[in-house]
Amino acid sequence: DVKVTQSSRYLVKRTGEKVFLECVQDMDHENMFWYRQDPGLGLRLIYFSYDVKMKEKGDIPEGYSVSREKKERFSLILESASTNQTSMYLCASSPLAGAGNTEAFFGQGTRLTVV
Amino acid sequence: QKEVEQNSGPLSVPEGAIASLNCTYSDRGSQSFFWYRQYSGKSPELIMFIYSNGDKEDGRFTAQLNKASQYVSLLIRDSQPSDSATYLCAASGGLGNTPLVFGKGTRLSVIA
Repeated sequence: DVKVTQSSRYLVKRTGEKVFLECVQDMDHENMFWYRQDPGLGLRLIYFSYDVKMKEKGDIPEGYSVSREKKERFSLILESASTNQTSMYLCASSPLAGAGNTEAFFGQGTRLTVV
Repeated sequence: QKEVEQNSGPLSVPEGAIASLNCTYSDRGSQSFFWYRQYSGKSPELIMFIYSNGDKEDGRFTAQLNKASQYVSLLIRDSQPSDSATYLCAASGGLGNTPLVFGKGTRLSVIA
């Protein structure tokens, strides 16, 4: 079974803190994604990566950065957390398009609260 | 802008009835389509995918795809209260290695 594991289920941080959200997948997938999910807004793509050290901006990259130093690990960084970044953060991975089924597998999510 | 549209609901059906969830997509280049189920406070989990026009059945679930109309649907037969969740429709990004495009989801409530 594919497993995508996020480092924390719940996190509370203070405004202005630098926050790291970690994600690890064990299926050797090329693609990894970070989404945030808010009521009424659905899943919004923050960043994705299709290879080590490669990253692409999604729909809402402002205020975030990412790091992919190893194929299995994709980190989301909030440089200076703000209250409007309070949300559910979801990491996902998928095989490269054209490699067969390209479904995305999700981690369990991190509920981040910025106070 | 590639889009996937879903009715937000809530869609309420009685236990044992057929629930019909619908989705339209804008990118004619999309090749594959996915239905995810998401329980409140949990992450999305894949329940079905479909690539070809027509119907695909898996247990109580049937996915339907009509590429000419750019329309995807999910039928849930013999609906159970445990089917109450938000259902997300997703379409592949078309050509190249691009992320799935997700709809905002339809909330389904199965009433016992």
